[in-house]
Amino acid sequence: QSALTQPASVSGSLGQSITISCTGTSRDVGSNNYGSWYQQHPGKAPKLMIYDVSKRPSRVSNRFSGSKSGNTASLTISGLQAEDEADYYCTSYTSSSTFVFGTGTRVTVL
Amino acid sequence: EVQLVQSGAEVKKPGESLKISCKGSRNSFINYWIGWVRQMPGKGLEWMGIIYPGDSDTRYSPSFQGQVTISADKSISTAYLQWSSLKASDTAMYYCARLACTSCYNFDYWGQGTLVTVSS
Repeated sequence: QSALTQPASVSGSLGQSITISCTGTSRDVGSNNYGSWYQQHPGKAPKLMIYDVSKRPSRVSNRFSGSKSGNTASLTISGLQAEDEADYYCTSYTSSSTFVFGTGTRVTVL
Repeated sequence: EVQLVQSGAEVKKPGESLKISCKGSRNSFINYWIGWVRQMPGKGLEWMGIIYPGDSDTRYSPSFQGQVTISADKSISTAYLQWSSLKASDTAMYYCARLACTSCYNFDYWGQGTLVTVSS
């Protein structure tokens, strides 16, 4: 069970949009619509940002959106703000009834 | 408010045993799957396994099967993660997290984390 592949880092200027990819296989990302995204600030516990590929918890800003195509999930942050600077992790339920996380992406706001 | 409260930081020697805990309020625990996640220093999140305290149904990541034991005591709304013989490579922050519902696949609430340090 290998980790899902994410870019190590993504950066963008204030107000811009960025997209983080999460690539898996037909046994995880491609096998269902249960993918999630988590935000983690340094020294803090992760926070759920997107679930079931594109659904957003009520407390999460609508600047965050998710999508999926085949074996690749994506998280888009629009109108980038300073507080969005954090690490982001995707996760997927797998065909083996387990979960797998992505490798993580550091988002830097320029 | 839903809360998962984890036990405090631990410092152990290689070869020692350890059991850390994650306690929730009864109505936020008994009918929910509770998972454990490892984060080694400066590294990413790794899913370790998950347990349903109602019947102790447990699933492990292949990477952690046989390395740790996940258990729960539903009478006190507490899940556990234990090691029988710690290694230096077990040094990490460990988080517990709750699946949002029995047919959900996202972790909506997380504990504050337990830092485990294994050093001779």
